[in-house]
Amino acid sequence: SQKIEQNSEALNIQEGKTATLTCNYTNYSPAYLQWYRQDPGRGPVFLLLIRENEKEKRKERLKVTFDTTLKQSLFHITASQPADSATYLCALAGSNTGKLIFGQGTTLQVKP
Amino acid sequence: GAGVSQSPSNKVTEKGKDVELRCDPISGHTALYWYRQSLGQGLEFLIYFQGNSAPDKSGLPSDRFSAERTGGSVSTLTIQRTQQEDSAVYLCASSVSGTGHGQPQHFGDGTRLSIL
Repeated sequence: SQKIEQNSEALNIQEGKTATLTCNYTNYSPAYLQWYRQDPGRGPVFLLLIRENEKEKRKERLKVTFDTTLKQSLFHITASQPADSATYLCALAGSNTGKLIFGQGTTLQVKP
Repeated sequence: GAGVSQSPSNKVTEKGKDVELRCDPISGHTALYWYRQSLGQGLEFLIYFQGNSAPDKSGLPSDRFSAERTGGSVSTLTIQRTQQEDSAVYLCASSVSGTGHGQPQHFGDGTRLSIL
């Protein structure tokens, strides 16, 4: 069955450093991958999308890579700030559906 | 503009009762999704509506769960004869379109359902 794995342990880093979050998947060939941010008690908020034929996408301090051979996506936040503290979810979808399959999320804590 | 609105924000009910959860998507969005999130877990897909097509119900966990979308807008998720394992946050999302375009999904803040 399809499986998505994200770092289950919380990631603690110092302000100003680069945070790197990992999303690995098996038994799936997604057409695209999305990253969302979720704050406590709130719904997820879309951050970035990357398609299967793209290697890297950037938006301001965010960067996403997508390696379909390794079946892995990396999500980077450069010059991290305490306000970046949240849970980050990766989600995959096929080409003929909008339905997303989510990982369990990784909680990031950025300390001042 | 207005985002996705869900009501109620919290619902506490007794085991065996039926509950209805409501979702108002962003105006003009043709795709609407329901997900469930248990404590500390990722989102679990339940059902997805795209325009006038038959909904994708592949994620509904049992026949106690059903959903409808009236007039291509508001959606209601109904859980009959609730069980304690139904306790979770139920999230609704909408997107401009839902097939093969990788559209971002816009989420409401969910309904927190607690079954006593």
